[in-house]
Amino acid sequence: GAVVSQHPSWVICKSGTSVKIECRSLDFQATTMFWYRQFPKQSLMLMATSNEGSKATYEQGVEKDKFLINHASLTLSTLTVTSAHPEDSSFYICSARVLQAAHPYEQYFGPGTRLTVT
Amino acid sequence: GQNIDQPTEMTATEGAIVQINCTYQTSGFNGLFWYQQHAGEAPTFLSYNVLDGLEEKGRFSSFLSRSKGYSYLLLKELQMKDSASYLCAVMDSNYQLIWGAGTKLIIKP
Repeated sequence: GAVVSQHPSWVICKSGTSVKIECRSLDFQATTMFWYRQFPKQSLMLMATSNEGSKATYEQGVEKDKFLINHASLTLSTLTVTSAHPEDSSFYICSARVLQAAHPYEQYFGPGTRLTVT
Repeated sequence: GQNIDQPTEMTATEGAIVQINCTYQTSGFNGLFWYQQHAGEAPTFLSYNVLDGLEEKGRFSSFLSRSKGYSYLLLKELQMKDSASYLCAVMDSNYQLIWGAGTKLIIKP
């Protein structure tokens, strides 16, 4: 099946620094990737939709200048949290849409990145 | 607005059967997904329903009634490893997934 990887799996950074999270589709090409954030005991919150070769589409309330998304190739999307603050501490998950999946528009998820800002 | 409702938490006994309900109100409908998420891990796909009726896959079954805006996930022969959160998600008219808050399922021996 389709495999999505994320790196790093966890990261601790100081307030004011930037952190980059990578999301890769390992055995397929992903024209569309999604970035989610999940706070403890809450559901997934879509942050942005990333299309290869074009600008990401951000959801309402998500600061595009703070959460920089780059989808430069069909297998890699990156999320950079700039000038991180403690309130940015969360579980960040990427997913990729696989058009050839058994079910249309099914999303395969990466293992997630736990970000802690101190 | 768009809304997905599912119980916050359920408890069941190992070997038993449990049904997790999901009701939805969305702008359009292009299918309903159920995902399983263990603590600290990413969601994994369980089922997809786009037509009314029951889809059975091993110990797990998923039911959909589009006229009632209702779905359920049925888990049989519960095992301790089934302890997880179960997320209901509906794909709306823009092919965007709308997520429920998830149901935490606790399995007791």
